[in-house]
Amino acid sequence: GQNIDQPTEMTATEGAIVQINCTYQTSGFNGLFWYQQHAGEAPTFLSYNVLDGLEEKGRFSSFLSRSKGYSYLLLKELQMKDSASYLCAVAGGSQGNLIFGKGTKLSVKP
Amino acid sequence: NAGVTQTPKFRILKIGQSMTLQCTQDMNHNYMYWYRQDPGMGLKLIYYSVGAGITDKGEVPNGYNVSRSTTEDFPLRLELAAPSQTSVYFCASGPNTIYFGEGSWLTVV
Repeated sequence: GQNIDQPTEMTATEGAIVQINCTYQTSGFNGLFWYQQHAGEAPTFLSYNVLDGLEEKGRFSSFLSRSKGYSYLLLKELQMKDSASYLCAVAGGSQGNLIFGKGTKLSVKP
Repeated sequence: NAGVTQTPKFRILKIGQSMTLQCTQDMNHNYMYWYRQDPGMGLKLIYYSVGAGITDKGEVPNGYNVSRSTTEDFPLRLELAAPSQTSVYFCASGPNTIYFGEGSWLTVV
């Protein structure tokens, strides 16, 4: 089976740094995605990791360790508009199969 | 660029009715997906396709059917609507970066 775990909710302060963790157990691995989703809207792509290590893109960074089945999304210099759900998704063994975790709802407070 | 377009945006169905959610993409993507999202449950994969003529079941396929006759289109059909199918439906496409449509809010009463 496939299982993706991430915290349900997190709270952080404007201007701070927050790390959202994701652990996964899948039959096969073809990459890990992070998406941002504001309430009532579609998910938007943030990052894609297929090799171990850190990928940096502006205020957002994503890390992957395939041996540990672990990833994190790092958000720096938090802004109020970063309040959203963050979805971790894994492309598993079956070609094209992309499974999502339940998402982490991040609240950024002044 | 239109990206991924899905219609309708909102629909109310009666129990037992049938309908098709349309999805089209103009990015020449091979991979297309249908997800449903219920409150607090995350996105659940219904069906996916890796190319024209090829479809496969995801996590929650029961009560749905799909077809992929062209690269651009990937319609999702509900044959006998049930209240459990009340949800938000998202179509998506991609190779490595998955792009989502804006969503279709479906209520079955």
